Amino acid sequence: AQSVTQPDIHITVSEGASLELRCNYSYGATPYLFWYVQSPGQGLQLLLKYFSGDTLVQGIKGFEAEFKRSQSSFNLRKPSVHWSDAAEYFCAFITGNQFYFGTGTSLTVIP
Amino acid sequence: NAGVTQTPKFQVLKTGQSMTLQCAQDMNHEYMSWYRQDPGMGLRLIHYSVGAGITDQGEVPNGYNVSRSTTEDFPLRLLSAAPSQTSVYFCASSSLGQGGYTFGSGTRLTVV
Repeated sequence: AQSVTQPDIHITVSEGASLELRCNYSYGATPYLFWYVQSPGQGLQLLLKYFSGDTLVQGIKGFEAEFKRSQSSFNLRKPSVHWSDAAEYFCAFITGNQFYFGTGTSLTVIP
Repeated sequence: NAGVTQTPKFQVLKTGQSMTLQCAQDMNHEYMSWYRQDPGMGLRLIHYSVGAGITDQGEVPNGYNVSRSTTEDFPLRLLSAAPSQTSVYFCASSSLGQGGYTFGSGTRLTVV
């Protein structure tokens, strides 16, 4: 079955520390992969996407993600977290016209 | 401003009432969809449309109805509201083949 797994429900990091949010997908081929961010009370904003080519993709707000086919993973990273990064993060992929979302990882940033 | 517009932002319904959540986009996107977001469950697809006159069911379609008479609009109808439909509803659109959704800001619905 097609699915997206975000194993970490909640992560807490200190401001200035590095961040890695995990995402694994289950699909028979390489899907189009996305990371979205949702601030409290807001809709989802696209951070970055991977379709093909270079497996390290850069996004907005200093985020990057690396696609690893062998691990069926698409982990999101940021070298130095800012307090404004506190939000919910969703990994997703699309096959045909259907998106599949993970259940999200909530990020808390400690000053 | 270009984007996806959802109305209303907040709504309280009594059990059994019906209502329509509005969604409009001005980006000429073919693909539009409705999701509900519940704590610990992420986003679940209710219905989607790949163009005017074409709709299909998603993961959790029961109790909801949609139509797509124009490219711009994709309303979601609750036929007879139930407390289990208390949720935050998001409309999203994309251009077919381009990937990446544009999301509306959501409608927070409470059914009492």
